Amino acid sequence: QQQVKQSPQSLIVQKGGISIINCAYENTAFDYFPWYQQFPGKGPALLIAIRPDVSEKKEGRFTISFNKSAKQFSLHIMDSQPGDSATYFCAARPTLDSWGKLQFGAGTQVVVTP
Amino acid sequence: GAVVSQHPSWVICKSGTSVKIECRSLDFQATTMFWYRQFPKQSLMLMATSNEGSKATYEQGVEKDKFLINHASLTLSTLTVTSAHPEDSSFYICSARTGVRAKNIQYFGAGTRLSVL
Repeated sequence: QQQVKQSPQSLIVQKGGISIINCAYENTAFDYFPWYQQFPGKGPALLIAIRPDVSEKKEGRFTISFNKSAKQFSLHIMDSQPGDSATYFCAARPTLDSWGKLQFGAGTQVVVTP
Repeated sequence: GAVVSQHPSWVICKSGTSVKIECRSLDFQATTMFWYRQFPKQSLMLMATSNEGSKATYEQGVEKDKFLINHASLTLSTLTVTSAHPEDSSFYICSARTGVRAKNIQYFGAGTRLSVL
């Protein structure tokens, strides 16, 4: 079963707007939450990541908000640009996994219109 | 960020042949690498965890004899799809893990598109 649930499945936003993608996890303790950006035909690229002792992290136009009690975290893309059009995956790493495996969300396809 | 090189980026092969995909960490040593499979418009599906000097650990439902993994050095892991069939056509992606657990990060290769005719 998917331990990290991601929504929405797809998102269309106008240039300059804010893209918001949400992820939620259940039952399992995680200690690291990265977001990856993937363009068609390419591998995922690490965008930004957060640990549970921090409620927010910002890097340029990208911000992660983390709500530990609600077991939710979200990615905000400010001032969205056409070049941001891609698929975004949230992920979470189980605390007890010795190999550092990641549990991925289903992905969100973001389209930024000019 | 760290660089992971994956080769080839695209391969076409005949049914019944074997295909080898290489994954290299170019500027760091990776004791652990991961192999994923991705279908169109879907998420990444972990196939196996590759550890240098030991046997790979496969996820449930992944055929070990079909997908052979060798992690011969701290910078190279290979995935061999043996006796490939059209249903093996997919996008295969590797990742390499850096650093100790508390600070480790997974960096991904560019992926290999396999088409089996």
